[in-house]
Amino acid sequence: QKEVEQNSGPLSVPEGAIASLNCTYSDRGSQSFFWYRQYSGKSPELIMSIYSNGDKEDGRFTAQLNKASQYVSLLIRDSQPSDSATYLCAVNNDGGFKTIFGAGTRLFVKA
Amino acid sequence: DVKVTQSSRYLVKRTGEKVFLECVQDMDHENMFWYRQDPGLGLRLIYFSYDVKMKEKGDIPEGYSVSREKKERFSLILESASTNQTSMYLCASSFPRADGYTFGSGTRLTVV
Repeated sequence: QKEVEQNSGPLSVPEGAIASLNCTYSDRGSQSFFWYRQYSGKSPELIMSIYSNGDKEDGRFTAQLNKASQYVSLLIRDSQPSDSATYLCAVNNDGGFKTIFGAGTRLFVKA
Repeated sequence: DVKVTQSSRYLVKRTGEKVFLECVQDMDHENMFWYRQDPGLGLRLIYFSYDVKMKEKGDIPEGYSVSREKKERFSLILESASTNQTSMYLCASSFPRADGYTFGSGTRLTVV
């Protein structure tokens, strides 16, 4: 079983819709959770971090964490073509020294 | 603008060469990391360092070594490059227990 699992996609949504990206993790001791965006040919860029159960909103992005279900999600409201990228879920369980990355979900936003 | 800078964007090396990949950060971060990223395999941790002259093996250290002589610089060394080390190499840095990593722009290494 992979430690951090994501649907590879591609996930295709129309412009203006809500894109929902999901991630599950295996280690119940995980403490920190991150979403990175990676454009084709570029390096990952941190867009959201979340540490406690519930929702965390930042502009059009909302991260959701459910530790009981070992589930993290990212919602992108009012999706734009510029949101088309691969989104990496990342989980840390040892205080910052080692972060486990999922393989990523490719998102396409159609104009 | 804070940065993690990797010395080369593209490199082509021959099998058996010793290869040095350099990474410099200007954020005074304690932690630095080297990952490789391959299609279908995601990001895999090669080595990390949490202090000057300290290094720890990641998940795939075989064939690699690292050096951290100064806080801002973390070097990845391929002792004898092989074709299966053709990959995108990403350097990252962070504060301990902090809000995620800052990545460099990556080095795409091709070993022929």
